[in-house]
Amino acid sequence: AQSVAQPEDQVNVAEGNPLTVKCTYSVSGNPYLFWYVQYPNRGLQFLLKYITGDNLVKGSYGFEAEFNKSQTSFHLKKPSALVSDSALYFCAVNQAGTALIFGKGTTLSVSS
Amino acid sequence: KAGVTQTPRYLIKTRGQQVTLSCSPISGHRSVSWYQQTPGQGLQFLFEYFSETQRNKGNFPGRFSGRQFSNSRSEMNVSTLELGDSALYLCASSLPLEKNTDTQYFGPGTRLTVL
Repeated sequence: AQSVAQPEDQVNVAEGNPLTVKCTYSVSGNPYLFWYVQYPNRGLQFLLKYITGDNLVKGSYGFEAEFNKSQTSFHLKKPSALVSDSALYFCAVNQAGTALIFGKGTTLSVSS
Repeated sequence: KAGVTQTPRYLIKTRGQQVTLSCSPISGHRSVSWYQQTPGQGLQFLFEYFSETQRNKGNFPGRFSGRQFSNSRSEMNVSTLELGDSALYLCASSLPLEKNTDTQYFGPGTRLTVL
């Protein structure tokens, strides 16, 4: 069975510092990995995805993610955090063609 | 291009009632998926419709059902509501070009409260 783990419930960073939100996955076959962000009382917004090719994927709002096959990880990163980045972040893997399997989510808190 | 829209945004029902939620996908998108989000279980896949056919189904009881119309709009129905059905129900649409790799774009959700 395919699964995603986000080992940190919460990540705290100061504005201007780099941020990392961790994600590890377990899949059979090629992994198709996604990151979404959710603001309060809103749906999920797509940030980026890894399908194949370059291990460093660039996405929306200055976010990027690094795919590491040997460590089965897909960590989300941003060089300089903004207070407005504070939100709930979800890592997901595609399973059975169309169903996204989500991690439990990581709350990112950026302090000014 | 307009995003995914869901109606209603908020809904309050009592146990035993049934409810219908609606989702309009992004123009040109033909696949619609539904997810349930709760604090305890997180985000869970309900089902996916493509060309008016259910193509994939998650592990939910038969009280949860859905359908898709010829214009790709979708509805989901929950019958005999239980307290545990209180959740944010999210709809997502995708083209799709390739099933595994297509990006799903989410609507704002319908917040269902069962009393």
